[in-house]
Amino acid sequence: DGGITQSPKYLFRKEGQNVTLSCEQNLNHDAMYWYRQDPGQGLRLIYYSQIVNDFQKGDIAEGYSVSREKKESFPLTVTSAQKNPTAFYLCASKEGRGTEAFFGQGTRLTVV
Amino acid sequence: QQQVKQSPQSLIVQKGGISIINCAYENTAFDYFPWYQQFPGKGPALLIAIRPDVSEKKEGRFTISFNKSAKQFSLHIMDSQPGDSATYFCAASLRNTGTASKLTFGTGTRLQVTL
Repeated sequence: DGGITQSPKYLFRKEGQNVTLSCEQNLNHDAMYWYRQDPGQGLRLIYYSQIVNDFQKGDIAEGYSVSREKKESFPLTVTSAQKNPTAFYLCASKEGRGTEAFFGQGTRLTVV
Repeated sequence: QQQVKQSPQSLIVQKGGISIINCAYENTAFDYFPWYQQFPGKGPALLIAIRPDVSEKKEGRFTISFNKSAKQFSLHIMDSQPGDSATYFCAASLRNTGTASKLTFGTGTRLQVTL
């Protein structure tokens, strides 16, 4: 089945740790996105990538980093510089000229 | 700067009633307006979308009404059912010109349909 797979579903981070969220897609989509979801704030764009080895900052990129070494994969690292990382993280993808964005099932990150 | 404003934040509708969620946008260059439905613990899924060259689009019980001059669009859910209980997000983006266009989302509306 084609789709977007995010892992893990739940992730706990200690203060000062970096953690990496995985996002893999087998839809052959060019563009991939990371969004952060907080209650009452909708979805806010962290980073996005149009093609392999290229990515751009979104609206709230501080404290996050990404890589796009393969078309299928767009991992997100939440660094210790992100002061309030507890949130629900969503990965999405779409065709380069398409309009519909397909979302993964999300990763809920909690700082302990 | 919130480019897409959504209201209400929450909505309770009786089964069989009409649910109405409203959105307003600021960027007149936006030309694609989707609505996403999200169930708890899941990722959003596209429900219905409209382009500004039409004033209304209907798919089953779901209708988007679009008012270009007012820069507003709304989602109407007819004959609302308990299974429609979810969070709904409006969004807007620029027509894709070959690069990754970004969706700008509203803040979401939590809909509860009661029996």
